[in-house]
Amino acid sequence: AQTVTQSQPEMSVQEAETVTLSCTYDTSESDYYLFWYKQPPSRQMILVIRQEAYKQQNATENRFSVNFQKAAKSFSLKISDSQLGDAAMYFCAYSPGANSKLTFGKGITLSVRP
Amino acid sequence: DTEVTQTPKHLVMGMTNKKSLKCEQHMGHRAMYWYKQKAKKPPELMFVYSYEKLSINESVPSRFSPECPNSSLLNLHLHALQPEDSALYLCASSLNPSFGFGYTFGSGTRLTVV
Repeated sequence: AQTVTQSQPEMSVQEAETVTLSCTYDTSESDYYLFWYKQPPSRQMILVIRQEAYKQQNATENRFSVNFQKAAKSFSLKISDSQLGDAAMYFCAYSPGANSKLTFGKGITLSVRP
Repeated sequence: DTEVTQTPKHLVMGMTNKKSLKCEQHMGHRAMYWYKQKAKKPPELMFVYSYEKLSINESVPSRFSPECPNSSLLNLHLHALQPEDSALYLCASSLNPSFGFGYTFGSGTRLTVV
């Protein structure tokens, strides 16, 4: 069975600084996808970034980028130039290639200090 | 239209009531999902509909009954719920159930069972 581990329950970052959120996963599949989702207090889950396992290049979306280490099964999210609106709960998630069933990590609460 | 719309946003129901949650999307997505989320926890998968057919039921109690009348609409019928069923119920959709496109989530229904 696939597992997703987010070991840090909370992190804090100063506005305009950079923060990295950690995620590790375990799978025996060779074809899979990894995601970071953001859930602000408004509660809607928002897709931040997506990585295809067969792509070596790390995904980037504006201020958000990932460090995908396939051999180490690590998938960390880097947020640059942190903004107050980045404060939210962030979930790392895994989906096998054969179906789109998502397995979530426990999540990390990110606070941004002004 | 790039949204998943859930109604109602809030619902309070007694343990003997029957109610329904509604989810709608007009993005042409062929997979739809129901998730249950407790506070500060990751979403837990309940049901997956693939091309309007139930493809995954994660051993959900029969007091929860899903229905997919057409490719745009997903319902969750509730009957004889327990207080521990109080949670945020999230609906999501994805373009294709076989590939990791990631989900578009609705903003959820906050359910309280009294």
